[in-house]
Amino acid sequence: GQNIDQPTEMTATEGAIVQINCTYQTSGFNGLFWYQQHAGEAPTFLSYNVLDGLEEKGRFSSFLSRSKGYSYLLLKELQMKDSASYLCAVEDSNYQLIWGAGTKLIIKP
Amino acid sequence: TAGITQAPTSQILAAGRSMTLRCTQDMRHNAMYWYRQDLGLGLRLIHYSNTAGTTGKGEVPDGYSVSRANTDDFPLTLASAVPSQTSVYFCASSDGTSGVNEQFFGPGTRLTVL
Repeated sequence: GQNIDQPTEMTATEGAIVQINCTYQTSGFNGLFWYQQHAGEAPTFLSYNVLDGLEEKGRFSSFLSRSKGYSYLLLKELQMKDSASYLCAVEDSNYQLIWGAGTKLIIKP
Repeated sequence: TAGITQAPTSQILAAGRSMTLRCTQDMRHNAMYWYRQDLGLGLRLIHYSNTAGTTGKGEVPDGYSVSRANTDDFPLTLASAVPSQTSVYFCASSDGTSGVNEQFFGPGTRLTVL
């Protein structure tokens, strides 16, 4: 079967760094996405990885290891507005997105 | 640019009634999707359309139907609603041609079936 695993909830302090992990087992792999979803809102695109390595975009970075079926999202210099759920999704061999349940990130002052 | 719009924003529906959730995009995207999002579960694909005139079944299609008469519109119909269809429904679209197949989401419809 297809499976995306990520922690249910994480807590971090404003100004700190947090790493959200995602492991996956899917039928085929055409890329991995990270989305941000604030409570009551729609998901919005954060990052995309298709090759192994680190992609950096401002305060956010995403890493992929295809051989390990593993990715992480790194958030630096945390701000209160970063409190949200972070969704990991893998594009499978049919070019459909398989979604994890999301990680709720709580930022404390 | 409006992007993707959905209507209604929320709805309370009696079990056994039918309802159509509307979705319109103005980005001329080829592919469109309907998801449901339930607490503790990831987004689950209900139906999709890779291009106007074609549709396909996703992970949880039972009890739902879709049509794609043109590029912009992708309505989702519940023929006879049941309480288990209580959920938040998101419509999404993507260019679906090449490269990063980023999906853009509408604001969602919160549906309660009683």
